[in-house]
Amino acid sequence: GENVEQHPSTLSVQEGDSAVIKCTYSDSASNYFPWYKQELGKRPQLIIDIRSNVGEKKDQRIAVTLNKTAKHFSLHITETQPEDSAVYFCAATMNTGFQKLVFGTGTRLLVSP
Amino acid sequence: GAVVSQHPSRVICKSGTSVKIECRSLDFQATTMFWYRQFPKQSLMLMATSNEGSKATYEQGVEKDKFLINHASLTLSTLTVTSAHPEDSSFYICSASWAPGDTQYFGPGTRLTVL
Repeated sequence: GENVEQHPSTLSVQEGDSAVIKCTYSDSASNYFPWYKQELGKRPQLIIDIRSNVGEKKDQRIAVTLNKTAKHFSLHITETQPEDSAVYFCAATMNTGFQKLVFGTGTRLLVSP
Repeated sequence: GAVVSQHPSRVICKSGTSVKIECRSLDFQATTMFWYRQFPKQSLMLMATSNEGSKATYEQGVEKDKFLINHASLTLSTLTVTSAHPEDSSFYICSASWAPGDTQYFGPGTRLTVL
């Protein structure tokens, strides 16, 4: 089955710096890779996603890159702000008819003012 | 759009009782709903996949007789934790998508505490 590894587990940056979170996946048939942001006690919220036919996608300060050959994808946040502080999860689809998601272990991002 | 609600948000129950959690897609029809469990400071673990009008598909290690899932309509799925025990205490979150392969939108979660 699919296995998703995520690094780092914690990341501390100064406001205005960039943050990069990396994930690797094992199933070469995975074709959808969303990123979710979860604040303490809240629901995961989709912040960006990418499909396997695209190498990069950007939405304002957030970007995701995908390297299908190496089976890894990354989240890039530029000009970080304190409100970006949260836990970020990457995910990849399992090769099943229901397109189940397998989540990474999460990265706790702390942005200091 | 793509709003998913969950009820209740918090529940405390005694050991041995059953608890029902509802997941609703408010502004779209969800052919597929997923149920996850999340322990403190851990990731989301998929428990089961629920399709409208058919039996749920459970992940390995999840007891289907303990975690009863019903997806009676395109906007409602329920998870019933039967004979709850303290080790079942967790954050239960559902998600919904229009169709397999589409984006999953998450409900706000239900924090279950079993005494």
